[in-house]
Amino acid sequence: GEDVEQSLFLSVREGDSSVINCTYTDSSSTYLYWYKQEPGAGLQLLTYIFSNMDMKQDQRLTVLLNKKDKHLSLRIADTQTGDSAIYFCAESMNRDDKIIFGKGTRLHILP
Amino acid sequence: DVKVTQSSRYLVKRTGEKVFLECVQDMDHENMFWYRQDPGLGLRLIYFSYDVKMKEKGDIPEGYSVSREKKERFSLILESASTNQTSMYLCASSTNRGLWTYGYTFGSGTRLTVV
Repeated sequence: GEDVEQSLFLSVREGDSSVINCTYTDSSSTYLYWYKQEPGAGLQLLTYIFSNMDMKQDQRLTVLLNKKDKHLSLRIADTQTGDSAIYFCAESMNRDDKIIFGKGTRLHILP
Repeated sequence: DVKVTQSSRYLVKRTGEKVFLECVQDMDHENMFWYRQDPGLGLRLIYFSYDVKMKEKGDIPEGYSVSREKKERFSLILESASTNQTSMYLCASSTNRGLWTYGYTFGSGTRLTVV
């Protein structure tokens, strides 16, 4: 069945790069997402990538997709205290399919 | 600005009470979802709906029901609240049409405590 795995915690020093990793099992996944949840709030779509892409960059965010290994990563450059949040990796096969979420990685920023 | 609005941020209810959690979206989205979020368990899908008066069970529907009488409103009902239903509840919506926003739009969540 479909499954999305990610580590639960990551600690990074302010100013360093954060790399959050995710693996998924369904090779049919077409859309892969990263959502951000700040404390006490709902989830916000941070970025997404189509399965026919290897990389997507948006300002401080870089998404890398290794389709062969079914591995997705999110790199946040120059991590700031405002990046402290839970980051969810997610996948779906088609635009009208249910999205399958990972359990989320809590990013903790060290001073 | 598109929005999914959940009627309450915080709720405290007694065991055995019937609880209604309301969710309204203003984006004319066809699809609406209810999740609960618990530490270490991530998001778990309770119910979803792809159209008015239509509902489908998610992964953990037991103890819950839903109502979708109007396109913009999706209600989650706890028939008889229990302490193990203490959780953060998240509503989301999406569309399959040309204005697809790539993924779901989430509400801010309702933190429910059952005492």
